[in-house]
Amino acid sequence: AQSVTQLDSHVSVSEGTPVLLRCNYSSSYSPSLFWYVQHPNKGLQLLLKYTSAATLVKGINGFEAEFKKSETSFHLTKPSAHMSDAAEYFCVVSEEGNKLVFGAGTILRVKS
Amino acid sequence: KAGVTQTPRYLIKTRGQQVTLSCSPISGHRSVSWYQQTPGQGLQFLFEYFSETQRNKGNFPGRFSGRQFSNSRSEMNVSTLELGDSALYLCASSFRAQGSSYEQYFGPGTRLTVT
Repeated sequence: AQSVTQLDSHVSVSEGTPVLLRCNYSSSYSPSLFWYVQHPNKGLQLLLKYTSAATLVKGINGFEAEFKKSETSFHLTKPSAHMSDAAEYFCVVSEEGNKLVFGAGTILRVKS
Repeated sequence: KAGVTQTPRYLIKTRGQQVTLSCSPISGHRSVSWYQQTPGQGLQFLFEYFSETQRNKGNFPGRFSGRQFSNSRSEMNVSTLELGDSALYLCASSFRAQGSSYEQYFGPGTRLTVT
């Protein structure tokens, strides 16, 4: 079975500084990986996805993620945090087609 | 294009009752998946329907069931509600995207509270 581990349950950054949210995955074959964001009392929004076309994936709102097979990692980054980025972020691996396996989530706090 | 819609948005039920939640996927999407989100267990896959057939199922008891109609709308039913069923239930619809991945688009969820 595939799984993802989000290494930090909470991350706090100042507005304008870089964001790094860490994710490691476990998969027996080349996985499809995603990052989703959830704002309070809202559904999940897809930020970006990796499907083996390119190791550096660009998403919405200035987010990027790099797939590193040797490290089994898929970390999410953003050069400069904005107050509106405060939310919970989920690293996700796709298993058996449409079944998504979610990490535990990382709550991002952005300080002014 | 309208997004995924879920009704109702909030629901309060009593233990032992049953509940039905509804999900309308994005137009043209034929796959609908359901997830349960709780503070303790996080996000867990319930089941997926494609062309009115259950294609995949998570590790939930038989009290949780679902179905999909010919217009791709889906319902999930929980019978004999327990306090632990209190959760945010999320529906996601998908189409086959580029390559082998399936992008899933989520609705706002139904917040179920069992008292």
